[in-house]
Amino acid sequence: EILMTQSPATLSVSPGERATLSCRASESVSSNLAWYQQKPGQAPRLLIYGASTRATGIPARFSGSGSETEFTLTISSLQSENFAVYYCQQYNTWPYTFGQGTKLEIK
Amino acid sequence: EVQLVQSGAEVKKPGESLKISCKGSGYSFTSYWIGWVRQMPGKGLEWMGVIFPGDSDTRYRPSFQGQVTISADKSITTAYLQWSSLKASDTAMYYCVRHYFGGTGYYFDYWGQGTLVTVSS
Repeated sequence: EILMTQSPATLSVSPGERATLSCRASESVSSNLAWYQQKPGQAPRLLIYGASTRATGIPARFSGSGSETEFTLTISSLQSENFAVYYCQQYNTWPYTFGQGTKLEIK
Repeated sequence: EVQLVQSGAEVKKPGESLKISCKGSGYSFTSYWIGWVRQMPGKGLEWMGVIFPGDSDTRYRPSFQGQVTISADKSITTAYLQWSSLKASDTAMYYCVRHYFGGTGYYFDYWGQGTLVTVSS
């Protein structure tokens, strides 16, 4: 199965600043990459699919990029509600696999 | 509005059986794959498997094959995840997820609220 590795494990950023989260696949997943946000006590929520397409209702400060094995999620001008855990997921090959998550915390 | 509503939290003993449910509404239940994702306490997300309610075609992650059974009853638009003999290591939050076709594979566009399963003697 494809191994997804996210970095860093924890990212401390001040409100209003930009956050950049990385996700690496052990083999090419083309652009079949999604990002999810999970807040404490809540189910995850789809943010990005196709590596760069925002899901319905997701604000423009969230952007995704990359292809093949290297992907990035960028959150510009962080708001208080953006501090959460973020997961990437490849859907190129069964079984679908997630990264271990990046916790975005307030600096 | 698409909704996936899961059954409530469960507390079971090792060796007991369990079946949890996920009722879909607001969309054509038989037209989308629906699956399950496990989240163990304080850990990340693991895709377990999926079923296509239209014809009951089912796929499992190899590590879950034989450990759980995924089923669906399209007459009541409900998917199920069941265990025949629970272990303490099955303690986790379980989410049902609607699979949306993304051109090659499927990402998860709607999530249930989660069902917490606790297995303890």
